[in-house]
Amino acid sequence: DGGITQSPKYLFRKEGQNVTLSCEQNLNHDAMYWYRQDPGQGLRLIYYSQIVNDFQKGDIAEGYSVSREKKESFPLTVTSAQKNPTAFYLCASTPQGEFYGYTFGSGTRLTVV
Amino acid sequence: GQSLEQPSEVTAVEGAIVQINCTYQTSGFYGLSWYQQHDGGAPTFLSYNALDGLEETGRFSSFLSRSDSYGYLLLQELQMKDSASYFCAVNIWGKFQFGAGTQVVVTP
Repeated sequence: DGGITQSPKYLFRKEGQNVTLSCEQNLNHDAMYWYRQDPGQGLRLIYYSQIVNDFQKGDIAEGYSVSREKKESFPLTVTSAQKNPTAFYLCASTPQGEFYGYTFGSGTRLTVV
Repeated sequence: GQSLEQPSEVTAVEGAIVQINCTYQTSGFYGLSWYQQHDGGAPTFLSYNALDGLEETGRFSSFLSRSDSYGYLLLQELQMKDSASYFCAVNIWGKFQFGAGTQVVVTP
């Protein structure tokens, strides 16, 4: 079955460490997105990519980095510059030009210890 | 800029009807979508309104009025499994901006 796979489901990070969250999709979607969700809040856009080898900053890109070397993959690195990284991270995708809604992965819950 | 406002929580009994309103301030968007998210899970797409009017999908319906900058999600014949958070989102140049979400609590 087609879908988006995020790994790991839970991730613990020590302060000062960089960590990379994986997002892989086999839906043949062109556009991919990373959102952050804090408890009781909505989703905020971190980065997005509408084509391979190209990506744009979202509303809260500081302290994060991404790459898009393959259509299927859009990993997110949470760097030590991100001051408050504990959150639920969601990856999503859509076909190019499709505006009705996202397909989401199951999310990665990152906790800084 | 864009902002979407939703009520923070709505409580209703099984079998009832709930309407979740979403008001927005934005200069332009492709459409209004609704998502459902259960605790600890990922959002799942419910409905999309590209044009003004009502869209019906089973027990759920969604409405959009661009002239009033307003939309709503209608949940009918509420079931316990409908207890979740519901988000409205507007699509602006291929990116979705989300509201803060409405927690729907269904009681027996």
